[in-house]
Amino acid sequence: AQSVAQPEDQVNVAEGNPLTVKCTYSVSGNPYLFWYVQYPNRGLQFLLKYITGDNLVKGSYGFEAEFNKSQTSFHLKKPSALVSDSALYFCAVGGNTPLVFGKGTRLSVIA
Amino acid sequence: GAGVSQSPSNKVTEKGKDVELRCDPISGHTALYWYRQSLGQGLEFLIYFQGNSAPDKSGLPSDRFSAERTGGSVSTLTIQRTQQEDSAVYLCASRVAGGNNEQFFGPGTRLTVL
Repeated sequence: AQSVAQPEDQVNVAEGNPLTVKCTYSVSGNPYLFWYVQYPNRGLQFLLKYITGDNLVKGSYGFEAEFNKSQTSFHLKKPSALVSDSALYFCAVGGNTPLVFGKGTRLSVIA
Repeated sequence: GAGVSQSPSNKVTEKGKDVELRCDPISGHTALYWYRQSLGQGLEFLIYFQGNSAPDKSGLPSDRFSAERTGGSVSTLTIQRTQQEDSAVYLCASRVAGGNNEQFFGPGTRLTVL
């Protein structure tokens, strides 16, 4: 069975500082990994995905994620956080099967 | 272009009533998913349609839940005899064929069962 874990319920970061939102996964075979963001009262928006190839994946809004097979991690990163990045972030694993989501991490960027 | 749309955006109903939630996927997307987002449960998969194949219903929590997809496009999720624990945001997503493609989500329907 596939699963993902987001160990942090909440991440606080000062505006302008780098941010990291952590995700680890458990799959048999090669994983398809995704990050989504949810703003208040909105649906989920796709940020980026890892399918194969370069371990560093670049996505929307300046976000990137690093796939690390040995650590089974897919952490989301951004070099300089904005207040507008404050939202709920979900890591997910899937592909042809329905997505399995982590519990979500609430990111607060403080001005 | 148009994204995934869902209606209604909000639904308040009384315990025991039936409700229908609608999803209009992106045109050309062959796969359609329903998920439920509730406090304390995160995002749960409910049901998955792929083309003309039989749907994957493995996530439906009880036989009160059912869904159909007509003509390979619009989908309706029906909850019969609603219970208070059914209160949640119901999200629909669609994607093009191919498991390496991301799902696009609608804004959701917030269901409140009184």
